Amino acid sequence: LAKTTQPISMDSYEGQEVNITCSHNNIATNDYITWYQQFPSQGPRFIIQGYKTKVTNEVASLFIPADRKSSTLSLPRVSLSDTAVYYCLVGFYNTDKLIFGTGTRLQVFP
Amino acid sequence: GAVVSQHPSWVICKSGTSVKIECRSLDFQATTMFWYRQFPKQSLMLMATSNEGSKATYEQGVEKDKFLINHASLTLSTLTVTSAHPEDSSFYICSAKGWRERADTQYFGPGTRLTVL
Repeated sequence: LAKTTQPISMDSYEGQEVNITCSHNNIATNDYITWYQQFPSQGPRFIIQGYKTKVTNEVASLFIPADRKSSTLSLPRVSLSDTAVYYCLVGFYNTDKLIFGTGTRLQVFP
Repeated sequence: GAVVSQHPSWVICKSGTSVKIECRSLDFQATTMFWYRQFPKQSLMLMATSNEGSKATYEQGVEKDKFLINHASLTLSTLTVTSAHPEDSSFYICSAKGWRERADTQYFGPGTRLTVL
């Protein structure tokens, strides 16, 4: 399984754009990249998923370069409620396991 | 769509008793469900993979006789912590695998806080 590396923590202020980068050097051809958000004492919440190039939904964008060895989650104009831990995971579409790394603890200040 | 529920949301029990936690996929069928454990300030740790109609696959270091998993239907998996001890106190989270566009995606339940006295 591909391992992922993320910054342990990041700080930001309300209204700013936050970019969290994840390294996955050993990503395989069939792997997808998925980001989850977790608040304390809650289960992780799906944010976005992608395979290559750029994916955008109502809450975030995911940028994946051509070599797919990294990806960047972009959160536009964060608010205090975006304070959470963000996990980047890489997995085969037909393989069961997703192994969580340390995640990135994002703290948004007023 | 893709909602996963857990019951109970929290439970307190005495040492030596058994506790059952239910995980349900509410609006989709899940042939595979997963159980995770999370200690404070730590990441999720996969405990086992549960496939409908077959025995669960446990991760290394997880005692299968202590953490009994049953996946009897496409929408329900249960985790029973047998003879619970204080060190089993943790946040237990399940997930269910469902299709989203072109790739399987895991959808997580809200978690169950277990406290063993």
